[in-house]
Amino acid sequence: EDKVVQSPLSLVVHEGDTVTLNCSYEVTNFRSLLWYKQEKKAPTFLFMLTSSGIEKKSGRLSSILDKKELFSILNITATQTGDSAVYLCAGLIYNQGGKLIFGQGTELSVKP
Amino acid sequence: NAGVTQTPKFQVLKTGQSMTLQCAQDMNHEYMSWYRQDPGMGLRLIHYSVGAGITDQGEVPNGYNVSRSTTEDFPLRLLSAAPSQTSVYFCASSYDGTLSGNTIYFGEGSWLTVV
Repeated sequence: EDKVVQSPLSLVVHEGDTVTLNCSYEVTNFRSLLWYKQEKKAPTFLFMLTSSGIEKKSGRLSSILDKKELFSILNITATQTGDSAVYLCAGLIYNQGGKLIFGQGTELSVKP
Repeated sequence: NAGVTQTPKFQVLKTGQSMTLQCAQDMNHEYMSWYRQDPGMGLRLIHYSVGAGITDQGEVPNGYNVSRSTTEDFPLRLLSAAPSQTSVYFCASSYDGTLSGNTIYFGEGSWLTVV
């Protein structure tokens, strides 16, 4: 059975802290790992990781995939209150219509 | 270009009632899917479609029915609503299966409560 597990489930930090969110996966016919940010509405896309060991960056966010150990991390540096959200990772299954297997999410709360 | 449009946004149903959540996209996407999201959980795939006339089950299909008679529309039917189906429902579409992540488009969600 395909499975994606995120940790921690929730996290409270203060502005300026650096956080690391974890995502492990066991997905048959795995193609890519996707990260989303969700704020009480539809998920918004952050990263798609297909190759192992190549870091992707967008501002203060970065992510990397390890296909040997079947995990990914999402780093957020110099956190801001606007980073407060649920972060979801999902495994994309190859050639099945954009079929995504989601983890349960990490709820991040950034305090001023 | 409206993207992915879901209706209704909010709905309250009584146990045993049936209803249809509508999903439409105007991007000529072949791939469409329905997810549900329960509190403290990620999205779980209900049904998906790789093109008009083709549908398949996801992780949690029981109690739901879908059809794909046109490329644009992918309605989700609740046959006999149960309180366990209280959830937020998201429709998604994409151009093809081998895609870049930011080309999966999500609708804004439909909040369904079954009492």
